[in-house]
Formats: sequence, structure tokens, C-alpha cells
Amino acid sequence: AQSVTQLGSHVSVSEGALVLLRCNYSSSVPPYLFWYVQYPNQGLQLLLKYTSAATLVKGINGFEAEFKKSETSFHLTKPSAHMSDAAEYFCAVSDLGYQGAQKLVFGQGTRLTINP
Amino acid sequence: NAGVTQTPKFQVLKTGQSMTLQCAQDMNHEYMSWYRQDPGMGLRLIHYSVGAGITDQGEVPNGYNVSRSTTEDFPLRLLSAAPSQTSVYFCASSPPGGSTIYFGEGSWLTVV
Repeated sequence: AQSVTQLGSHVSVSEGALVLLRCNYSSSVPPYLFWYVQYPNQGLQLLLKYTSAATLVKGINGFEAEFKKSETSFHLTKPSAHMSDAAEYFCAVSDLGYQGAQKLVFGQGTRLTINP
Repeated sequence: NAGVTQTPKFQVLKTGQSMTLQCAQDMNHEYMSWYRQDPGMGLRLIHYSVGAGITDQGEVPNGYNVSRSTTEDFPLRLLSAAPSQTSVYFCASSPPGGSTIYFGEGSWLTVV
């Protein structure tokens, strides 16, 4: 079974600083990988996804992530943090269920705080 | 362009009560699923369906019941609510072979 580990349940950075949210997955084959963002009391919004095309994936709001098969990692970065980036971020990996149904296995989430 | 619609958005239940969380999608997706979100645990799969009449269990199925009579709808039933089922519930849908999973806005459930 797939698993996802997000290193750091809480990350705090200063406005304008680099954002780095770490995600490692367990998979024997290149999976689909996702990053979602959740603002307080809201639903999930897809930031970006890796589907075995380019290893560097660009998403919305200036975020990007790099798929590194050798490290089984899919870390999320943003060069310069904005106050509006404060939210919870979830890394997820796809897993196949009955009749090939795509299921997501999520990490535990990382809460990002931006300091002024 | 509704996408995935969940109702209700907020609900408070007493222990032992039953209720149904509704989920409907208008994208003709075959795959639908329910996840629950708990602090520090991310989202976990409860049940999923690969088409009308076909469902399977996810990681945390106990205490929940599902059925799928149409492509559009995938309700989640709590037969006897427990405080441990206090959570945020998300419904999702996706097409076969597709890499994008579409989520609803979530349903916040409190069991007292």
C-alpha cells in the first residue's frame, strides 16, 4: 500500500522568504503525485500534479514541485512567500483500487504560517 | 458548472442519531469516493465506487454505509453517529484513467 510522509506538521517562514514543504512517498512505480492547499474552513484546491511528464511541475500561485524518483520525494517550493499563502498543504499519491479506481493517499498535512 | 456538490455543509448530530451526507456530481464520472479529514491525519478514504451498484471499502469504513444507484449520486450514511465521527467529510469524483480528482466543498459534522 502507498504511504506519504510530510516532514513537519507546522512550517513558519517570513514574508518574502523561500517556502519549502517536504513530501516523501513510498511507491515501486512512478505514481501520480499531488499537492493540495486548504484555506481555513474551505475545501481542497489543487495546486499542482505530477503525471510522469516533466519532473518539474509548475502550479498555481507561484508554487512548483520537483519529482525525484531516486529520493522518492515531491517537495513543494515557492521562491517568495506571501501572507496569502498561509494555509494547510497536503501531499497525496495515487493508488489503484478495485477495477483500477484511482484512490488518493494523503500525508498528514503541513500548516504554513507566514510572519510579517 | 456545479462539479461536485455536497450537502449539508454543516451538521450537528447527537450520539446515536443517523444521517446521510449527500454527494452529487454532474460530470458523468464513474469513480466517486468519500474521505474524512481529521487534524494531524490528513484525509483518509472511507468508501469508494467505480460505478452504479459497485462499491468498495477504503481505509476507515467502519460506521459508514454507502450505495450507488445512479452515476450522479453517492450518499454516505451514518447509521448510529458516534463522537469519533466528528470530522470534515469530502466527496470526490474522477473519470476512469483520469489524473484529476474533483473534490466537493466539504461537510463539517459534529457529533455530541
